[in-house]
Amino acid sequence: GQQVMQIPQYQHVQEGEDFTTYCNSSTTLSNIQWYKQRPGGHPVFLIQLVKSGEVKKQKRLTFQFGEAKKNSSLHITATQTTDVGTYFCAPPSGGSYIPTFGRGTSLIVHP
Amino acid sequence: NAGVTQTPKFQVLKTGQSMTLQCAQDMNHNSMYWYRQDPGMGLRLIYYSASEGTTDKGEVPNGYNVSRLNKREFSLRLESAAPSQTSVYFCASSEAYKDTQYFGPGTRLTVL
Repeated sequence: GQQVMQIPQYQHVQEGEDFTTYCNSSTTLSNIQWYKQRPGGHPVFLIQLVKSGEVKKQKRLTFQFGEAKKNSSLHITATQTTDVGTYFCAPPSGGSYIPTFGRGTSLIVHP
Repeated sequence: NAGVTQTPKFQVLKTGQSMTLQCAQDMNHNSMYWYRQDPGMGLRLIYYSASEGTTDKGEVPNGYNVSRLNKREFSLRLESAAPSQTSVYFCASSEAYKDTQYFGPGTRLTVL
């Protein structure tokens, strides 16, 4: 069955440093969604990637979907304290096609 | 638009008690979901309703029941609460089951 791994589980950075989280799948994905959850909050949709090799930017955030559609990444340039939270990739599950959430990557930004 | 609303926000139960978590959305979405979130475990799907009149089990359905009351409302019931059900519960909705999910603020449940 489909196995999806998101790494790292935690990342500490100094404010101003860059940050990247990776989502790797054992099978080809039809699409992948990314969500952010602030501490004490609820997940909020960031973006959906569909095409092979797709790159999308939202200000300091860059999202990529691999050429083989088996991996994806989120890169944040020059982190700020407002970037603190957990970032989830959510590829569709094999059977139901519902986006499934793993453990996410928790980003801690030190001022 | 209120989006997705959940009640209550906080709840403390004793083992064996029952309760129903309420969820409502005003976005005319077809699909609704219930997740639980435990520290270090991410979000795990309990039950979902792809459309009004249908419900299906997710990854961790044991100990829970759901009701899709109408297109707007999707409730989660704990018949006999156990300490292992201490968690944060999120309801979400989407236009269709493959689409972007919109989450409610969550219910923080403690079972003693």
